[in-house]
Amino acid sequence: TQLLEQSPQFLSIQEGENLTVYCNSSSVFSSLQWYRQEPGEGPVLLVTVVTGGEVKKLKRLTFQFGDARKDSSLHITAAQPGDTGLYLCAGGGWITGGGNKLTFGTGTQLKVEL
Amino acid sequence: DTGVSQDPRHKITKRGQNVTFRCDPISEHNRLYWYRQTLGQGPEFLTYFQNEAQLEKSRLLSDRFSAERPKGSFSTLEIQRTEQGDSAMYLCASSTGIGDTQYFGPGTRLTVL
Repeated sequence: TQLLEQSPQFLSIQEGENLTVYCNSSSVFSSLQWYRQEPGEGPVLLVTVVTGGEVKKLKRLTFQFGDARKDSSLHITAAQPGDTGLYLCAGGGWITGGGNKLTFGTGTQLKVEL
Repeated sequence: DTGVSQDPRHKITKRGQNVTFRCDPISEHNRLYWYRQTLGQGPEFLTYFQNEAQLEKSRLLSDRFSAERPKGSFSTLEIQRTEQGDSAMYLCASSTGIGDTQYFGPGTRLTVL
């Protein structure tokens, strides 16, 4: 069974601070996605990384995929209250018919306060 | 592109009743997934359709659960004889298959009393 562990589980910071969320596994994934989820809503895709060592930037968010495609990190610079939410990493695994079964981490609940 | 929609958004039922949820994927997305998310956890894969064919089912999908996608467009997930342990958010996602980026709907929150 593939497992993804996220750390930290909870994070409460002040506006303007930087933070890093980690996503680790002993398994190799074909891709890794990061999602953000608001209460009562479905996850919203932030980024997909595919190549080992890949780094992607999305405004103040920087995503990195580990060289061995087993781990990933999300770094937020100068956090804002609007960044508050549940951050989920998800590893992709190919299944029958070319589908991509996502294995989700347990999530990091981020709260950014003024 | 109106996004993935799910109906109903909330469902409260009594133990033993049957419930059915509907998912409408993004137009022309041939791949459709169902996931279940319990409180404090990440979503867990339930099943996968490519067009109308159900190609993969998780062991989490007991015989009380059945999913269909009759015309390769919308999908339904039915739970028979609901149990309190079925209480969760049921999420639907769709993709085109190109890179297989999955776009999620808002979910159906099921509460079994």
